[in-house]
Amino acid sequence: GNSVTQMEGPVTLSEEAFLTINCTYTATGYPSLFWYVQYPGEGLQLLLKATKADDKGSNKGFEATYRKETTSFHLEKGSVQVSDSAVYFCALGNTGNQFYFGTGTSLTVIP
Amino acid sequence: DGGITQSPKYLFRKEGQNVTLSCEQNLNHDAMYWYRQDPGQGLRLIYYSQIVNDFQKGDIAEGYSVSREKKESFPLTVTSAQKNPTAFYLCASSIWGQVPEPQHFGDGTRLSIL
Repeated sequence: GNSVTQMEGPVTLSEEAFLTINCTYTATGYPSLFWYVQYPGEGLQLLLKATKADDKGSNKGFEATYRKETTSFHLEKGSVQVSDSAVYFCALGNTGNQFYFGTGTSLTVIP
Repeated sequence: DGGITQSPKYLFRKEGQNVTLSCEQNLNHDAMYWYRQDPGQGLRLIYYSQIVNDFQKGDIAEGYSVSREKKESFPLTVTSAQKNPTAFYLCASSIWGQVPEPQHFGDGTRLSIL
């Protein structure tokens, strides 16, 4: 079947620290992978995506590489800011446009 | 700007009452989805629709109903049969194609019991 597992939070970092949020998946076929961000009281916003193995998605300083050999799509950012505080969701999209979301990782960045 | 509009932002339901959550999109997307989000949990799929006049049950459809009479609109009704409706409801839409396209989300409706 299809599923996404991401590291549990909450994660608290100091400003300018390095961020990694782990995400692993199980899937049939050739899924696309996504990271979404959710700010309090809002819907999810697409942060980045990758559609095939070894693709690297990037946006706003965030990066994630689609690793088929380790079935992973870890989110990284070299220097976080207070404004990055949010909940981050890893997601998998598969045949039939079926999406599977992780449980979300809450990030708080302190000045 | 194109996007998805959900209304109302907050909704209160009395016991035994049905309530309807609105979702409208002007992105010309074929597919639309309803998710339920509970605190500390991921998104759970309630219903989805690929085309007008067709929709499919998701993982937690019991106690909910939908309609898709227009491409732009996908309202969700929370019926009295849904015994634990308090949650944050998210509507999404996407292009329907062979390669999964990103889903675009509205800002959600928070439903509470009076």
